Amino acid sequence: AQSVTQPDIHITVSEGASLELRCNYSYGATPYLFWYVQSPGQGLQLLLKYFSGDTLVQGIKGFEAEFKRSQSSFNLRKPSVHWSDAAEYFCAVGPHISNFGNEKLTFGTGTRLTIIP
Amino acid sequence: DAGVTQSPTHLIKTRGQQVTLRCSPKSGHDTVSWYQQALGQGPQFIFQYYEEEERQRGNFPDRFSGHQFPNYSSELNVNALLLGDSALYLCASSSIVITLMNTEAFFGQGTRLTVV
Repeated sequence: AQSVTQPDIHITVSEGASLELRCNYSYGATPYLFWYVQSPGQGLQLLLKYFSGDTLVQGIKGFEAEFKRSQSSFNLRKPSVHWSDAAEYFCAVGPHISNFGNEKLTFGTGTRLTIIP
Repeated sequence: DAGVTQSPTHLIKTRGQQVTLRCSPKSGHDTVSWYQQALGQGPQFIFQYYEEEERQRGNFPDRFSGHQFPNYSSELNVNALLLGDSALYLCASSSIVITLMNTEAFFGQGTRLTVV
């Protein structure tokens, strides 16, 4: 069964500092990997996705993530955070495109990001 | 493009009642998935609809049922509500056409259901 672990429940970062949110996944084949962001009371917005090719993927709002198969990780990074980045971040895994990439997503429990001035 | 729209935004129901939540997918999308997000948790997959049929189901009891209409919109029904059904219910739409451009689901803002 597929699963996602986000080991950090809450992270606090100073504005302008760098950020790394951790994500580890368990999946029996090549997965789709996603990072979503959720602001309070809002739905989920896709930041970036990985399904093949270059293991470093760029997303919106200056975020990037690196897929490391040997570590089963897909960590999210940003070189300099802004106060508007404060939100909940979810990593998710889904089946590979060969299994119709619209099947269910399995989400981690999320990491809440707080930005301090 | 209005994106994925869900209604109502908030809902309060009494234990034992039944509730219907609605979702209109993003233009051009034909597949609708429903997720339950309990407070402080990640979304949990309930089921997915395509061509008006349930394609896949998560680990939810039969009290949770759904429907998809010919215009691709969808409803989620929950019978015999329990206090534990209180959550944010998210609808996600996607396209069954497998292309590199369509490998993602778009989420609505959700319906906040409170069972008292």
